[in-house]
Amino acid sequence: DAKTTQPPSMDCAEGRAANLPCNHSTISGNEYVYWYRQIHSQGPQYIIHGLKNNETNEMASLIITEDRKSSTLILPHATLRDTAVYYCIVRVGPNSGYALNFGKGTSLLVTP
Amino acid sequence: NAGVTQTPKFQVLKTGQSMTLQCAQDMNHEYMSWYRQDPGMGLRLIHYSVGAGITDQGEVPNGYNVSRSTTEDFPLRLLSAAPSQTSVYFCASEDSGNTIYFGEGSWLTVV
Repeated sequence: DAKTTQPPSMDCAEGRAANLPCNHSTISGNEYVYWYRQIHSQGPQYIIHGLKNNETNEMASLIITEDRKSSTLILPHATLRDTAVYYCIVRVGPNSGYALNFGKGTSLLVTP
Repeated sequence: NAGVTQTPKFQVLKTGQSMTLQCAQDMNHEYMSWYRQDPGMGLRLIHYSVGAGITDQGEVPNGYNVSRSTTEDFPLRLLSAAPSQTSVYFCASEDSGNTIYFGEGSWLTVV
C-alpha cells in the first residue's frame, strides 16, 4: 500500500497562498490522492482528490506531478480558519477495503 | 459533513459492557465505513460496507461487529468493551464521485 510523507508542520501568513507538499513515491497507477483536514478532533473535512490531472474546487487546488510521485495542495488565500492538520492520503484498493491511509499529517498554522 | 449522522456523541462504558454506535446517511450512498482515531494518530479502518447486506473487515476489526440491513444505516457494535477501545470513532459514506464524507465523531471511554 502506498504511504505518504508530509512535513510535520508549516506556517503561513494570512492572505498568502499555503502550499502543502506530499510525497507518495510508491503510489500505484489506479490509486487516488485525497486531501482532508481536521480541526480539534472534529470529523475530517474533505478538501479535494485526484488521480492524474490537476484539480481545483472552491476550497483548493491539487497539483499532481506527471510521474504521480508527489503532489501539492494549494490554499490560494489562507485565513485563520484554515489552521488545522492536513492529511495527504492515498486511497488503497479493494484488498484493503478501499481504506483511506491516514498518516500524521501537516499541522498548518495561519498567522495574522 | 454532508449528512452523516453519528450517535451518541459521548459515551462512557465499563469494561465488559456492550453498546452500539449508530451511523446514518440520507444520501443513498452505497459505500460506508467506520474508522477509529487514537490520540495523536491518523484514522484506521475498522469495517466497511459496499452496499446493503455486504460488510467486510478493515485494518482493526477485532472486538467490533457491523451489519448493513439498509442503505441508510451502518451500526458498529462493541461486543465486550475493553480499555483499548477508548477512542474517537468516525463513520463515513462515499458518493458516486468518490468523495468521502465523515460524521462528527463519537467519543468513547472504557473504564
